[in-house]
Amino acid sequence: DGGITQSPKYLFRKEGQNVTLSCEQNLNHDAMYWYRQDPGQGLRLIYYSQIVNDFQKGDIAEGYSVSREKKESFPLTVTSAQKNPTAFYLCATQRAGLAGYEQYFGPGTRLTVT
Amino acid sequence: GIQVEQSPPDLILQEGANSTLRCNFSDSVNNLQWFHQNPWGQLINLFYIPSGTKQNGRLSATTVATERYSLLYISSSQTTDSGVYFCAVERRQGAQKLVFGQGTRLTINP
Repeated sequence: DGGITQSPKYLFRKEGQNVTLSCEQNLNHDAMYWYRQDPGQGLRLIYYSQIVNDFQKGDIAEGYSVSREKKESFPLTVTSAQKNPTAFYLCATQRAGLAGYEQYFGPGTRLTVT
Repeated sequence: GIQVEQSPPDLILQEGANSTLRCNFSDSVNNLQWFHQNPWGQLINLFYIPSGTKQNGRLSATTVATERYSLLYISSSQTTDSGVYFCAVERRQGAQKLVFGQGTRLTINP
């Protein structure tokens, strides 16, 4: 089955704890992205990676960290420094970090921090 | 950075009606995609359309790149068409990343 897997679907954490969201893909796409969506809003880019062992900050990277050790995996850590971590997090992939290719999205993880 | 504006923000229609959703963008683009976000949050690719016209069943899209806008047409709406429709663009000059509009929330009543 080809696709993008995000786990878990729902995640609950206490304030002050770091939490890592998983994103795995078997589409053999080079580029991977993390977005955040707040209720009633569009998506905002947190981090992206166009190649293994390299990643760049997006528009709202503060309080988040990522790693890209394997082509298939791009985990996102929401740290305790993120002031408003409760949100819907979406992972996406793109065939190459080049112009002219579609992005495809995983099913998302809803994170609630209390 | 590039600005993406979608209109209308909300649209309520009866089943069977037709609708037109608009996306304006402020700079030249390499990539323009339309997505449908279903009630579970999944983003479904509708069209990859940086220019020209495409059709897929009851849906079609047109992008006029020189005038910096795109239109998504939905004909003979069904209740399953309800959800939020997003336009996203990738600026021609710059990093390869999508910028999203705020979306149009479409509600189709039976």
